[in-house]
Amino acid sequence: GENVEQHPSTLSVQEGDSAVIKCTYSDSASNYFPWYKQELGKRPQLIIDIRSNVGEKKDQRIAVTLNKTAKHFSLHITETQPEDSAVYFCAAASSGGYNKLIFGAGTRLAVHP
Amino acid sequence: GAGVSQTPSNKVTEKGKYVELRCDPISGHTALYWYRQSLGQGPEFLIYFQGTGAADDSGLPNDRFFAVRPEGSVSTLKIQRTERGDSAVYLCASSLMGGELFFGEGSRLTVL
Repeated sequence: GENVEQHPSTLSVQEGDSAVIKCTYSDSASNYFPWYKQELGKRPQLIIDIRSNVGEKKDQRIAVTLNKTAKHFSLHITETQPEDSAVYFCAAASSGGYNKLIFGAGTRLAVHP
Repeated sequence: GAGVSQTPSNKVTEKGKYVELRCDPISGHTALYWYRQSLGQGPEFLIYFQGTGAADDSGLPNDRFFAVRPEGSVSTLKIQRTERGDSAVYLCASSLMGGELFFGEGSRLTVL
């Protein structure tokens, strides 16, 4: 089955700097790659996703890149703000018409003012 | 409803007891998922429903865990003979077919 590895486990940046989180996946059939943000004690919320037919997607300060050959995908946050502090999870979905998400272990991002 | 609703938000039980956790998905969402999240970990897939049927229950850890969705809307996750290792946050999510998963706030289960 699918296995998703996520790095780093913790990331500390200064406000205004960029943050990059990287994930790798094992199942070449996976075709959907969402990123979720989870604040302490709250539900995971989708922040951006990408499908395997594109290599990059951007939404304001957030971008995701996908390298299908290497089975890598990354989240890039520019001009970080303290409210970006949270745990971020990458996920990959096995194909089959529904999104059975397999999650990485998470990255705890701390943005210091 | 406005979002995925889960009850109870917190449940403390003793080892060996039976527990039921309820999920009320977003109205109209045909797909419903149960995940388990242990402290410091990502959500772990348990089971997926399409309509009333369990389309994929490959993540259920053992036969103490069972889930139903009798009318294709509300789902109940049932855990028999609870063990301390079952302590976690149980997350429910719903989606349209092939769409974004919307998560509930979770039910925090503590087995003493």
